[in-house]
Amino acid sequence: AQSVTQLDSQVPVFEEAPVELRCNYSSSVSVYLFWYVQYPNQGLQLLLKYLSGSTLVKGINGFEAEFNKSQTSFHLRKPSVHISDTAEYFCAVTPPRPNTGGFKTIFGAGTRLFVKA
Amino acid sequence: DAGVTQSPTHLIKTRGQHVTLRCSPISGHKSVSWYQQVLGQGPQFIFQYYEKEERGRGNFPDRFSARQFPNYSSELNVNALLLGDSALYLCASSPTPGQGQEAFFGQGTRLTVV
Repeated sequence: AQSVTQLDSQVPVFEEAPVELRCNYSSSVSVYLFWYVQYPNQGLQLLLKYLSGSTLVKGINGFEAEFNKSQTSFHLRKPSVHISDTAEYFCAVTPPRPNTGGFKTIFGAGTRLFVKA
Repeated sequence: DAGVTQSPTHLIKTRGQHVTLRCSPISGHKSVSWYQQVLGQGPQFIFQYYEKEERGRGNFPDRFSARQFPNYSSELNVNALLLGDSALYLCASSPTPGQGQEAFFGQGTRLTVV
């Protein structure tokens, strides 16, 4: 079965410092990879996605992620964080459709990013 | 344009009761998915509907059911509620159910079972 592991449950960081949120997935087949952000009391919003092509993907709000097939990782990075980046971040994968049809997006448990002044 | 809207935003039910949650997708989106997000965890896939047909089902008991209407809105029904059903229920829509499609999420319905 597919799974997504977010290696850090919480990441505290000072404002304007760089940050990396780590994500590993288990899959022997090609998957599509996503990062979503969830602000308090809100739904999830897409930050970026990797479907194919360049392994470095740029998203909104200055975030980027690098797909590493050999390490089955899709780590999220930002060179300089702001207080407003404080939120929960979820890595997700969508494996190929099974014979029974339908795509199932599998989410990691989330990483809570705390940006301190 | 309106995003994905869910109703109600909050709900308190008693064990054993039934609940219906509602979702209106973004205009033009024909695929709706439902997720359960327990506090401190990531969303867990429950159902995906497309063109009024179930296209995917997660590992949830038969107490959970859903349907999609001709206008592409959707309902999630949960029977015989358990305390463990307390969670944030998220609805997401996309134009089609493709593997690489971005899911647009609503703000969710917070269900508390007492």
